[in-house]
This record gives sequence, C-alpha cells and structure tokens, in this order.
Amino acid sequence: NAGVTQTPKFRILKIGQSMTLQCTQDMNHNYMYWYRQDPGMGLKLIYYSVGAGITDKGEVPNGYNVSRSTTEDFPLRLELAAPSQTSVYFCASSYTGSTDTQYFGPGTRLTVL
Amino acid sequence: AQKITQTQPGMFVQEKEAVTLDCTYDTSDPSYGLFWYKQPSSGEMIFLIYQGSYDQQNATEGRYSLNFQKARKSANLVISASQLGDSAMYFCAMREGEGNQGGKLIFGQGTELSVKP
Repeated sequence: NAGVTQTPKFRILKIGQSMTLQCTQDMNHNYMYWYRQDPGMGLKLIYYSVGAGITDKGEVPNGYNVSRSTTEDFPLRLELAAPSQTSVYFCASSYTGSTDTQYFGPGTRLTVL
Repeated sequence: AQKITQTQPGMFVQEKEAVTLDCTYDTSDPSYGLFWYKQPSSGEMIFLIYQGSYDQQNATEGRYSLNFQKARKSANLVISASQLGDSAMYFCAMREGEGNQGGKLIFGQGTELSVKP
C-alpha cells in the first residue's frame, strides 16, 4: 500500500514551459486535492475533486488545470509556467470530505526560472 | 480575513517538557473540523490529530492532545514530554462545512518548534 505518490520529486522549468504533476493514490479514496506551499507559508488549495469526473477550484486555481478520469489519478497541469508558480506542490486524498484525514504525498518541488 | 491564525512563528522547548502551540480560527459555520499536521525538515505532511466542532471531549492521540475551546475559537496543540524528533513545523488547519462540500482545508502559517536537548 503505497498511499499517495507524486512524480516528479523535483523539476526546474523555464518561463512559458508547461508540465504535468502526477498524483496517484491506492487507498480507493474519493476525494483528492492539490495544494501549493510557498516558502515559510502554510498550504493553499489549488483544485480538488470529489470523485472521478468531478473537479472544482480552490483558493488559488489560476494558471493550473486538473482532470480526474479515474479514482486513483489526479494530475495537475501547469500551462505557461511563471516564476510565481515556484513552490512545493502537495497532492492529498481522503475517503470522504468530512472527518476523514487527508493523507499527503511527499510533494514536488518546482522551480520556474 | 485570515481564518486560521498561528501567532507563534517559532517556539523552543526543553526535551521532556510539555509545549503548547496556539491556533485560533474564524468561522460562522456551525460544522467544522480542526486538524494539526507536522512537517519535518524532510517536507512531508504528517497528520497528528483531529477535533470536530461537535465533539464534546478534547481529542488525544498519544503524546498529542488538542485543547479545544469553542467559545474562544481556539484549538491549541499540546505535546507532552517533548522529544528531539518533535522538532518540526506544525500547521493548524480547518475544514468548514459538511463533507459533501469537498473537505477543503484552510491552513495557518505554521509554528516552527525546536526541541533542545
């Protein structure tokens, strides 16, 4: 049982490039989330999904897109990378959205130069 | 308006002593949940403890307890018998509303705890 896995662990992008951050969970969780953590700050929600085919915006969605075609996978797409997107990205999942704990992946450290 | 406030950017505690990390929150929703996560220097987010707004008793998990004062809107984390491995960043987070709204978490800015030998 791997939990929540994220790839890649590190990535450097040039301004204007695009990339997809991968997130997979093997816990059969319905809910999945993408957060970003800027240096010295708490996490902010980018997008979330309550099930396959259903996604919604969080607090900071601009510059990102998501899709959820399966229960297991929730990729985050960065289009036209900007220096402001330099951050650590965490994917998380939970069985429900209420009392269930959100389990986090190890994070992806992204630098945009 | 900031919904989760952690007023202590950094804290020091002597090994084997207890320490309290402060967290205040703001919500008008009668149903909410409060979480504490630990983030060691390796970067992963580790769940510590959860308190629901309707829970009558303070949550406890091993050496961690949550001092929940609903009227004051505070949810302080108490770590008893601190260990060197407790040195980390600690985040308080809140989920507003019922679960069918997505379970979105709002995080505070964190408190960095350093345990001295």
